Amino acid sequence: AAGVIQSPRHLIKEKRETATLKCYPIPRHDTVYWYQQGPGQDPQFLISFYEKMQSDKGSIPDRFSAQQFSDYHSELNMSSLELGDSALYFCASSLRERGGRETQYFGPGTRLLVL
Amino acid sequence: AQKITQTQPGMFVQEKEAVTLDCTYDTSDPSYGLFWYKQPSSGEMIFLIYQGSYDQQNATEGRYSLNFQKARKSANLVISASQLGDSAMYFCAMREGLGSSYKLIFGSGTRLLVRP
Repeated sequence: AAGVIQSPRHLIKEKRETATLKCYPIPRHDTVYWYQQGPGQDPQFLISFYEKMQSDKGSIPDRFSAQQFSDYHSELNMSSLELGDSALYFCASSLRERGGRETQYFGPGTRLLVL
Repeated sequence: AQKITQTQPGMFVQEKEAVTLDCTYDTSDPSYGLFWYKQPSSGEMIFLIYQGSYDQQNATEGRYSLNFQKARKSANLVISASQLGDSAMYFCAMREGLGSSYKLIFGSGTRLLVRP
């Protein structure tokens, strides 16, 4: 079965640079979520999109922005990178179901290292 | 207050034995979902099992079962017949409500090591 695709899988950037992370959800899934997992931490919700519209926003810095495109893929844009942005960034996708039984399926993650 | 609490930072289990990973949650919302994910050392997050707050029966998926005790607000994961490949980090997560936000709130995780 098709899974969530994330690219790149690994990324090394310098401080103050920008980075773009891409996510391709499971076909027919209508919702995308972005999570950030710092070293030794649990994943923290950043932002989500349902049917190409932002549906919720979590602890996402103002330096970050994201969008979902017409083909449902999503991009997370990160500017003025800081050392603390080094983390594993997950994209998850789901299909909204009645009764709230939807399950989020995670991609393999993009490991970002800021030097 | 912590929404999801996993009190076992690390656990050992002998291969072929069963193990229970604890998870307690805190919510005032009558409608919520509870999830368990497995994160191997390679980093990916693998969905294991789901329990809805209105589900009458405990969820089961192969060797995974969820001991759901609603009154105690606990949703412990039971892994039967442990295998070496079960060694990983396990996260309990909750989704509250049926509103526009379906975000997951994770616990701090339990690292399980299966001994041969």
